[in-house]
Amino acid sequence: KAGVTQTPRYLIKTRGQQVTLSCSPISGHRSVSWYQQTPGQGLQFLFEYFSETQRNKGNFPGRFSGRQFSNSRSEMNVSTLELGDSALYLCASRGGTTDTQYFGPGTRLTVL
Amino acid sequence: AQSVTQLGSHVSVSEGALVLLRCNYSSSVPPYLFWYVQYPNQGLQLLLKYTSAATLVKGINGFEAEFKKSETSFHLTKPSAHMSDAAEYFCAVSDNFQGAQKLVFGQGTRLTINP
Repeated sequence: KAGVTQTPRYLIKTRGQQVTLSCSPISGHRSVSWYQQTPGQGLQFLFEYFSETQRNKGNFPGRFSGRQFSNSRSEMNVSTLELGDSALYLCASRGGTTDTQYFGPGTRLTVL
Repeated sequence: AQSVTQLGSHVSVSEGALVLLRCNYSSSVPPYLFWYVQYPNQGLQLLLKYTSAATLVKGINGFEAEFKKSETSFHLTKPSAHMSDAAEYFCAVSDNFQGAQKLVFGQGTRLTINP
């Protein structure tokens, strides 16, 4: 079974721009979560989607948003980028009765 | 609110020596506990998890962890370190409320293996 895939793997943007990151979960998994990883703040939860509905959200500003499609693929959008948004963004999928989140390789976003 | 504290941001051991990575958690409900490993430029890989079954949990690559409720701890151990164990390790806690799950991570422990 293929794992969680994230595209693109690397991204460079400038302040004020917006960016969209994509995540394809493991086949059959309906839950997708997003995390931000930075050296200063560590790993922080952004949000979780299940069956196209956001059912959990972390403490991030409204510039961070996401959505999930009917095939469970998810996108995360960050608008009006700030330097502090530079991070590794990790996506994780979970399915069935499992309590385990399986992570993708991440998208490294650099904001200049 | 749930939280995780990992004691020691850096741990260095010799190849063949015992690995002990410490994790203490805070949770108002019975916790789900996880250890993940991250190699450079990669995502997180699950090592093992505790979800209220056996308190001694065995994972991949020879790692195991023991859940101690009285000490609110979930320390990770491996009897004999291998060079390939060099990586960053994260302890995480979650609750599952109505199916939703949010992982709260510790700050991570970077493990170095000396030849």
